[in-house]
Amino acid sequence: AQTVTQSQPEMSVQEAETVTLSCTYDTSESDYYLFWYKQPPSRQMILVIRQEAYKQQNATENRFSVNFQKAAKSFSLKISDSQLGDAAMYFCAYRSPLTGNQFYFGTGTSLTVIP
Amino acid sequence: DVKVTQSSRYLVKRTGEKVFLECVQDMDHENMFWYRQDPGLGLRLIYFSYDVKMKEKGDIPEGYSVSREKKERFSLILESASTNQTSMYLCASSPPRGKQYFGPGTRLTVT
Repeated sequence: AQTVTQSQPEMSVQEAETVTLSCTYDTSESDYYLFWYKQPPSRQMILVIRQEAYKQQNATENRFSVNFQKAAKSFSLKISDSQLGDAAMYFCAYRSPLTGNQFYFGTGTSLTVIP
Repeated sequence: DVKVTQSSRYLVKRTGEKVFLECVQDMDHENMFWYRQDPGLGLRLIYFSYDVKMKEKGDIPEGYSVSREKKERFSLILESASTNQTSMYLCASSPPRGKQYFGPGTRLTVT
């Protein structure tokens, strides 16, 4: 099974500043999908951003962007201009087209935004 | 908007009871999943289903079973609830190669 590692259980950032959440994964596959999900306190898990491994360009969604380093098997999430509403648990996830029905999740990073 | 709903947000059951957690999705997705979420452990896959009446064990299927009689509905069953099954249970659905859509979760407490 693939493994996804988030080495930062907790992170904090000052409002309006930038923060980077780390994620590494282990795979022998060349084609796969990577995701960052956000789970606000007591609320539903939602997708923040996704990246297809065959795409060299890093995905960007407004204030959220990724640094995808395929050779290093690294997929970090950068949040710019942090807002109070960004406070949440963030999960990194891997999906393989070969076992296309399974997602593999990291253990999560709890992000606190300080006003 | 894709909608995944779960039958209960909070549930309290006694040890030994049979528990049913229901999940319904409205986007005709082939794949449905049940996870449990525990602090420090992230999301762990219990079972998933890629078609009606089809199911596959995930990482922690012991003590659980599932049922998928209709495409839109995926049920998680705890045959005899135990205190170590106290957890947050998340249901998700997805098309074959897309992202997952999650339900709001069911926080189950077994006393």
